Amino acid sequence: DAGVIQSPRHEVTEMGQEVTLRCKPISGHDYLFWYRQTMMRGLELLIYFNNNVPIDDSGMPEDRFSAKMPNASFSTLKIQPSEPRDSAVYFCASSSSWTSGRPKPYEQYFGPGTRLTVT
Amino acid sequence: QKEVEQNSGPLSVPEGAIASLNCTYSDRVSQSFFWYRQYSGKSPELIMSIYSNGDKEDGRFTAQLNKASQYVSLLIRDSQPSDSATYLCAVKNFGNEKLTFGTGTRLTIIP
Repeated sequence: DAGVIQSPRHEVTEMGQEVTLRCKPISGHDYLFWYRQTMMRGLELLIYFNNNVPIDDSGMPEDRFSAKMPNASFSTLKIQPSEPRDSAVYFCASSSSWTSGRPKPYEQYFGPGTRLTVT
Repeated sequence: QKEVEQNSGPLSVPEGAIASLNCTYSDRVSQSFFWYRQYSGKSPELIMSIYSNGDKEDGRFTAQLNKASQYVSLLIRDSQPSDSATYLCAVKNFGNEKLTFGTGTRLTIIP
């Protein structure tokens, strides 16, 4: 199976611009997670979906952040407008549930990440 | 008190020795435990999962879980320079798919 795919791998943008990060989870996984990692705050969960439905968005820092999952194979994280403090590495991860019948439930597999720099 | 705590290190271990990484967690209903390895500039990579008390071995890696004492550890036998990385401990609670990560321990294997 292909792993989690993210694009772009690097994004440099100016403050105030809209940024869209993309993720394709592992086929058959029914959970998708968006994380942000910085040196100061470590790895933080922003939001996660189950069967394309947002379950917990309590980690989304502000209304400038939004996430969607229109189908089982695609999700986006959008920042509008972007600010310099949004600079971080954003990871997408996916996992399967116990009821999915897939092996190794609960284990989250991470994509390569998107390094975002807002100037 | 942080939910998941790890010594940030750096932890330096001679090549060939055993590296011991520790993690404590605060929530007694924690159900599943994971160790991730993260090389600099890369994404976290799952290396071990453990669900019940005791030891679980996979190659040079052994995960140990003690729910009564609320700690989980990772032993790396015959440490290699390629094991130099940051190791993240993650905990999943019952009824919740979220993982709570520790801040990670930076491990350096000295040739």
